[in-house]
Amino acid sequence: GQQLNQSPQSMFIQEGEDVSMNCTSSSIFNTWLWYKQDPGEGPVLLIALYKAGELTSNGRLTAQFGITRKDSFLNISASIPSDVGIYFCAGQLRNNDMRFGAGTRLTVKP
Amino acid sequence: EAQVTQNPRYLITVTGKKLTVTCSQNMNHEYMSWYRQDPGLGLRQIYYSMNVEVTDKGDVPEGYKVSRKEKRNFPLILESPSPNQTSLYFCASGGVSYNEQFFGPGTRLTVL
Repeated sequence: GQQLNQSPQSMFIQEGEDVSMNCTSSSIFNTWLWYKQDPGEGPVLLIALYKAGELTSNGRLTAQFGITRKDSFLNISASIPSDVGIYFCAGQLRNNDMRFGAGTRLTVKP
Repeated sequence: EAQVTQNPRYLITVTGKKLTVTCSQNMNHEYMSWYRQDPGLGLRQIYYSMNVEVTDKGDVPEGYKVSRKEKRNFPLILESPSPNQTSLYFCASGGVSYNEQFFGPGTRLTVL
């Protein structure tokens, strides 16, 4: 099936640093979403993007829907310890199927 | 409280013994979906339902069945579980913007 390539797989950063992660695919997606998963819990939606080129912010988080509709990135500014977790990109295909990236595991050192 | 609930949260079973994992949402959402999460693979969609009596295959439907007889419930059925179905399973639901999904707490299934 259509796959999302998410990178990096993991990041170890110092508190206060900015973070950037991205997802790419060979397929065109109608919607891009970014989720965060804390240990032992289900993913929680952070940002949803619906239009090519769209740039959306949610507090310290900013995400963009790529112009080609095949990629998206998520930036986190001024990271804090509670940003620790696994971040997933997700895309909705034209047939309504959802695809998820493999995740980026973020560790923030105080 | 708006939520998606799954039961059981943990299950250990043996190969071939039919099982059902229930999922229920109290948000009146039309869209519901099942995913499995495996290390290094992220979440993979098993089945989804756009509305009552409407279900569609996701990325990895083999070995699973679902039903959507009521809006609030979307059970996942494994008729003959096999060890390769050992995984962490998540149910999710979505409203008008159905791809903005709310996830349940997960069900960890082990098939011996």
